[in-house]
Amino acid sequence: DGGITQSPKYLFRKEGQNVTLSCEQNLNHDAMYWYRQDPGQGLRLIYYSQIVNDFQKGDIAEGYSVSREKKESFPLTVTSAQKNPTAFYLCASSSRTEYNEQFFGPGTRLTVL
Amino acid sequence: AQTVTQSQPEMSVQEAETVTLSCTYDTSENNYYLFWYKQPPSRQMILVIRQEAYKQQNATENRFSVNFQKAAKSFSLKISDSQLGDTAMYFCAFMSFFNTNAGKSTFGDGTTLTVKP
Repeated sequence: DGGITQSPKYLFRKEGQNVTLSCEQNLNHDAMYWYRQDPGQGLRLIYYSQIVNDFQKGDIAEGYSVSREKKESFPLTVTSAQKNPTAFYLCASSSRTEYNEQFFGPGTRLTVL
Repeated sequence: AQTVTQSQPEMSVQEAETVTLSCTYDTSENNYYLFWYKQPPSRQMILVIRQEAYKQQNATENRFSVNFQKAAKSFSLKISDSQLGDTAMYFCAFMSFFNTNAGKSTFGDGTTLTVKP
């Protein structure tokens, strides 16, 4: 089945530690995205990538880093510089040809203790 | 920068009735995409309907339809014959078509819809 996977579903980390969230897709999509969702709020764009080895900052990139070494993968690292990292993180991908519908993964709930 | 505003944080509707969710946006671009996504309690985001800004005809998808007013920068979602499974948070989203921002998307804060039996 084609789709997007995110792992793990729940992640706990101590304050000051970097943590990497996984996102993999087998939809052959060029574009991939990372969003942060806080309780009762909408999605805020962290980073997005239109093509391998290229990515752009979104609206809240501070304290986060990404890489795009493979078309299928777009991992997000939450660094210790992110002041309030506890949140729900969603990964998505879309066809770059039409920049149409985004397909979303199931999300990762990160809790920093 | 684009902004998307959903002015109704919460709404409720009786089963089988019709409800309209509001969305306004601000952009200087002429070509773009607009979307409505649904996020049920499972938190899995699902596309409900999409609209290309260059198309004048309003999009429809079964019980879901939009009222797209480009000049007013308004993009409302109408749900007809509401069902219990429509209970979810609904997000309006804008996606740039312009080359340097192509693919960049902005979401509203969402409207929580409850369908009552």
